[in-house]
Amino acid sequence: NAGVTQTPKFRVLKTGQSMTLLCAQDMNHEYMYWYRQDPGMGLRLIHYSVGEGTTAKGEVPDGYNVSRLKKQNFLLGLESAAPSQTSVYFCASSRTAAAQHFGDGTRLSIL
Amino acid sequence: GENVEQHPSTLSVQEGDSAVIKCTYSDSASNYFPWYKQELGKRPQLIIDIRSNVGEKKDQRIAVTLNKTAKHFSLHITETQPEDSAVYFCASHQGGKLIFGQGTELSVKP
Repeated sequence: NAGVTQTPKFRVLKTGQSMTLLCAQDMNHEYMYWYRQDPGMGLRLIHYSVGEGTTAKGEVPDGYNVSRLKKQNFLLGLESAAPSQTSVYFCASSRTAAAQHFGDGTRLSIL
Repeated sequence: GENVEQHPSTLSVQEGDSAVIKCTYSDSASNYFPWYKQELGKRPQLIIDIRSNVGEKKDQRIAVTLNKTAKHFSLHITETQPEDSAVYFCASHQGGKLIFGQGTELSVKP
């Protein structure tokens, strides 16, 4: 039982490049979330999903897209990366939309 | 939408002292309030939570209190130890998602 697994752990991109972050959970959770964490800003919700095939916007959705084609996977896409998207990205999942289990994070730098 | 304010942003205590972190929320419909601990370079981990039908909850050296009327909740850590040093986040649950406070960096000096 691995819990929540994020891929990759680190990535460096150039401005304008695109990439996809993968989050996988093996706990059969309905709810999945993507956050970004910046110094002094806490955890800010980007997008979330309340079940397979659903997505919804969080606090800071601009510049990101998501997909939840399979219940266990939640993908976060950056279509045209910008330096302002340099951050640590955390994925989380939960069974009841309450207690959330976090992955180890992806450290993303955009030059 | 929901807004969560957390204070203080930094807190330094001597080993063995108590530490208190406070949060306020804006939406009276919020019904679940978790606290997360994040050590440097690690993932946030749930340490304690409380639901709106409960006023206080304890787990060994950690306790959380909730005042629904005033819309604030607090984390209390007693007999602090160096391994309690971390960033602590409060959160409020609304509409299937959590809104987090800005975090408190707790430093416990031996």
